[in-house]
Amino acid sequence: EPEVTQTPSHQVTQMGQEVILRCVPISNHLYFYWYRQILGQKVEFLVSFYNNEISEKSEIFDDQFSVERPDGSNFTLKIRSTKLEDSAMYFCASRGARGNAGETQYFGPGTRLLVL
Amino acid sequence: AQSVSQHNHHVILSEAASLELGCNYSYGGTVNLFWYVQYPGQHLQLLLKYFSGDPLVKGIKGFEAEFIKSKFSFNLRKPSVQWSDTAEYFCAVNAGGNKLVFGAGTILRVKS
Repeated sequence: EPEVTQTPSHQVTQMGQEVILRCVPISNHLYFYWYRQILGQKVEFLVSFYNNEISEKSEIFDDQFSVERPDGSNFTLKIRSTKLEDSAMYFCASRGARGNAGETQYFGPGTRLLVL
Repeated sequence: AQSVSQHNHHVILSEAASLELGCNYSYGGTVNLFWYVQYPGQHLQLLLKYFSGDPLVKGIKGFEAEFIKSKFSFNLRKPSVQWSDTAEYFCAVNAGGNKLVFGAGTILRVKS
């Protein structure tokens, strides 16, 4: 069964450094998402991406964040200058091309980011 | 703003006990509802979903959920839990747009 994959599984970085989190969505999916979960808190939506542009983003997704689909398979989340409060588990998700926005999103295993 | 409430943060049950996890959402229009499960060390997996039709939906591993529109609820049930059901369970809602709004999660521990 196809799965969403994410790399790395863990990343430790210094405050102020840039990080890039990578995701490979399911191959025939066209909608892509990033969510995050700060330890002990809810899973929160960050951004959705379709047709090479952001379709929706949350208040969390400020100018420090960007997303990109650099080729036909990868979907990346970049944090330009990390802050302590960016420490969280970051989940990538994808869904198929059907028109219903409620169609199932399939999640990757997550990248645990620790900012020191 | 849309929100999802899960009533229990931790639940401990013995094997063969029945399970019901509560989920309420705040949104007056059409919603799509989901339960996801995260087993230890694994990623979020879909248990079941409701889009329309029969409000009682059946998912994998013997789980079911009932959508009660008048109560804005989508409670998850299983008649007899197993040790392997130990996991964290998340209720989520899509109320238009692209995003899922998640509840805080319920950690279920099943004692063998």
